[in-house]
Amino acid sequence: GAGVSQSPSNKVTEKGKDVELRCDPISGHTALYWYRQSLGQGLEFLIYFQGNSAPDKSGLPSDRFSAERTGGSVSTLTIQRTQQEDSAVYLCASSSTPDREETQYFGPGTRLLVL
Amino acid sequence: AQTVTQSQPEMSVQEAETVTLSCTYDTSESDYYLFWYKQPPSRQMILVIRQEAYKQQNATENRFSVNFQKAAKSFSLKISDSQLGDAAMYFCAYRSVNFNKFYFGSGTKLNVKP
Repeated sequence: GAGVSQSPSNKVTEKGKDVELRCDPISGHTALYWYRQSLGQGLEFLIYFQGNSAPDKSGLPSDRFSAERTGGSVSTLTIQRTQQEDSAVYLCASSSTPDREETQYFGPGTRLLVL
Repeated sequence: AQTVTQSQPEMSVQEAETVTLSCTYDTSESDYYLFWYKQPPSRQMILVIRQEAYKQQNATENRFSVNFQKAAKSFSLKISDSQLGDAAMYFCAYRSVNFNKFYFGSGTKLNVKP
């Protein structure tokens, strides 16, 4: 596709349930980023992938959060045993290479609401 | 850890006038990137302008320009000839050269009055 896509666009779940958020980066982009944006807040960096590898997972807020990327393309962010404080917009971005001239292209986000 | 501060939660500007959004950051690194992103109600983040710390010349992009003061760790965005379509949340962001993490400020909501 022409841009980064994310699905679902909105997700409502009950506390304690697991959710999976999907990101399809721009074709050929090797770097992929996940962010969380809570209401009225800036973006909180979660994790970065270079290819299928995540060299730095320190941004994940807890061990309930995990992410994977397969085939150097699609990425899935999984939140286990969701809590109400997980409610936020989850944004994905991709870039061609994580080099000095990198520009991130953002998807429209997934709005997660945990009841 | 790096921190990015946007001290203006909300600002307003009259159409066709100029407005400046402030951003300061804290870092011990000498080389890094700074960005301004725009987020309209559609939620899509759009890159407005980018500045490399090793470049002394301020970046410009049409009506958008920055005032980068490295010693003061300040990175303000000037929007000239403001247009209604400029109304959005604006986020300042920092990226380390060596680590692929981005640090974002809390944002400034810009209102443009006709």
